[in-house]
Amino acid sequence: NAGVTQTPKFQVLKTGQSMTLQCAQDMNHEYMSWYRQDPGMGLRLIHYSVGAGITDQGEVPNGYNVSRSTTEDFPLRLLSAAPSQTSVYFCASSRLAGGPTDTQYFGPGTRLTVL
Amino acid sequence: AQKITQTQPGMFVQEKEAVTLDCTYDTSDQSYGLFWYKQPSSGEMIFLIYQGSYDEQNATEGRYSLNFQKARKSANLVISASQLGDSAMYFCAMSPGANNLFFGTGTRLTVIP
Repeated sequence: NAGVTQTPKFQVLKTGQSMTLQCAQDMNHEYMSWYRQDPGMGLRLIHYSVGAGITDQGEVPNGYNVSRSTTEDFPLRLLSAAPSQTSVYFCASSRLAGGPTDTQYFGPGTRLTVL
Repeated sequence: AQKITQTQPGMFVQEKEAVTLDCTYDTSDQSYGLFWYKQPSSGEMIFLIYQGSYDEQNATEGRYSLNFQKARKSANLVISASQLGDSAMYFCAMSPGANNLFFGTGTRLTVIP
């Protein structure tokens, strides 16, 4: 049971490039989400999904796309990278489709730098 | 709007002593969850403890306890018998009955030998 995995661990992009951050979980969790962490700030929600085929926007969705074709995978796509997207990205999952009792478990993070 | 406030950017504690990390929140929801996460220097987010808004007793998990005062909208984390390995960033977060977690800005705890 690997939990939540993310690849890559580190990535450097040039402005305007696109890429996909991968996230997978093997706990059969319905809910998955992406957060970004910037210095001096807590994590902020980018996008989330309550099940395969269902996604929605979080607090800071601009510049990012997501899709959820399977329960296990929830990739985050940067369409045209900008320096403002330099951040650490965390994927998380939880057992039920949201709700206050659902503990979210986080992946190890991806550190992205956009030059 | 949901808001989590952690007013202590940094805290120091002597090894084996107890320490309290403050967290206040603001929400209009009646049902919500409160969480604490630890982020060591390696960067991962580690779940520590959870408190539901309807739970009458304070949550405890080993050396961690959550001092929940609903009327004051506070959810302070108490770490007893601090260890060197407790040195890390600690984040308070709230799930307001929906799907999302709202995080505070964190408190950096340093345990002094």
